[in-house]
Parts: sequence; C-alpha cells; structure tokens
Amino acid sequence: GQQLNQSPQSMFIQEGEDVSMNCTSSSIFNTWLWYKQDPGEGPVLLIALYKAGELTSNGRLTAQFGITRKDSFLNISASIPSDVGIYFCAGLNNDMRFGAGTRLTVKP
Amino acid sequence: NAGVMQNPRHLVRRRGQEARLRCSPMKGHSHVYWYRQLPEEGLKFMVYLQKENIIDESGMPKERFSAEFPKEGPSILRIQQVVRGDSAAYFCASSPLTKTGSDTQYFGPGTRLTVL
Repeated sequence: GQQLNQSPQSMFIQEGEDVSMNCTSSSIFNTWLWYKQDPGEGPVLLIALYKAGELTSNGRLTAQFGITRKDSFLNISASIPSDVGIYFCAGLNNDMRFGAGTRLTVKP
Repeated sequence: NAGVMQNPRHLVRRRGQEARLRCSPMKGHSHVYWYRQLPEEGLKFMVYLQKENIIDESGMPKERFSAEFPKEGPSILRIQQVVRGDSAAYFCASSPLTKTGSDTQYFGPGTRLTVL
C-alpha cells in the first residue's frame, strides 16, 4: 500500500525558532495536506497543496508540494508556544494516507 | 457553518457490548470517511461512504465492524462484541467531493472508545 514516511518523529525547540518537517512516499499523490492535532481533538487542516511544485503559505506556515509528487515539507517560522501539537502529513488520491506525525514541543 | 460533528465524544463499553459512533458531516458534504487512531500513532483509514453507499471499506475489519450513511441522519460506525483492542479514537471526516474525484477532508473531534 501507499506508505508515508514523516520526519522527524519529534522536535523540541525554543520559542522563536523555525521548524521544518517533511513527508516522503514511494507513491505519487495528487494532493498533499498538512494537519495539526491538539490533544483530545481531531486533526485541523493547515494547508492543502494541489499542484506539483506549489508553494503555499498560511501565516507563519509554509508548505510545498514536491516536484516529483512524492514528497512535501512544512515549515513553521518564529514558533510560539501554541504551535505545540502533532503535525500530520497526508497524501490524497482516491483515499487518504497519513504519516505517523511529528510531535512538536516549544519551550518558552 | 457547523463543522463535522461526532457523538458521543467519549464512550465506555464492557467486552462483548456494542458500540455505536455517530457522525454528522459538514453542511453540503455528502461524503464521509472513518478513521481509527491508536495512541502515539497516525490515523488509519477504515471506510468511505456516500449517501446509502459504501464506496471503499478496505480498511475496516471484516468481522464485528460495519458502517452506514443513510439517506437521512448521521453516518454510524457500529462495532459489535467489542474487545479491549478496539479501544482507540475514531475520527470521522467529510468532504464535498469535486469532479476530479477527491477533495480535502475536514475532521470531527473524534469519539474515544474505551473497552473495559
């Protein structure tokens, strides 16, 4: 099946630092999505990417759809304490596959 | 515009009982997906439904699990004769579905099932 490899598994950073995480796959996806999940809640959509090479921003978040359609990255600039949570990448064709998540901890 | 709604948020069952999880999609969305999440893991696809039709149930166990999305009312994920291994968070997502055949999914808050 389509497997997504997300890294890093966890990150511990200082407030104000930039963060980068990525997702790779052996399969091509038509859409890449990035979600954030807070404890006890459902995933919330951050950014959706629909076209290879696309670079999209949402506030301090920037994500790119890899040119090969097999990867994507998410950057968070100038992190703040409320960025804490688990970030999931997802690849979408006819169904959606999730990465295992990146657990982000931000120290004030 | 209300988001995806799920209830109950928490459900406790004893082994052998039945669990019913409900999901109401976002207004205007006619496609519902169910996912299961174990602690410290990502979401695993279970089933994809449109109104009155199961489109893809490849991720759902063949026994004890069933799902429906009737013409009227919420989608239901039903687990019969629950076992401890069924304890997990179950998330529902909905999408409007575009002509290309797939669209971004929006998630509900989840139902946390605990089997004693």
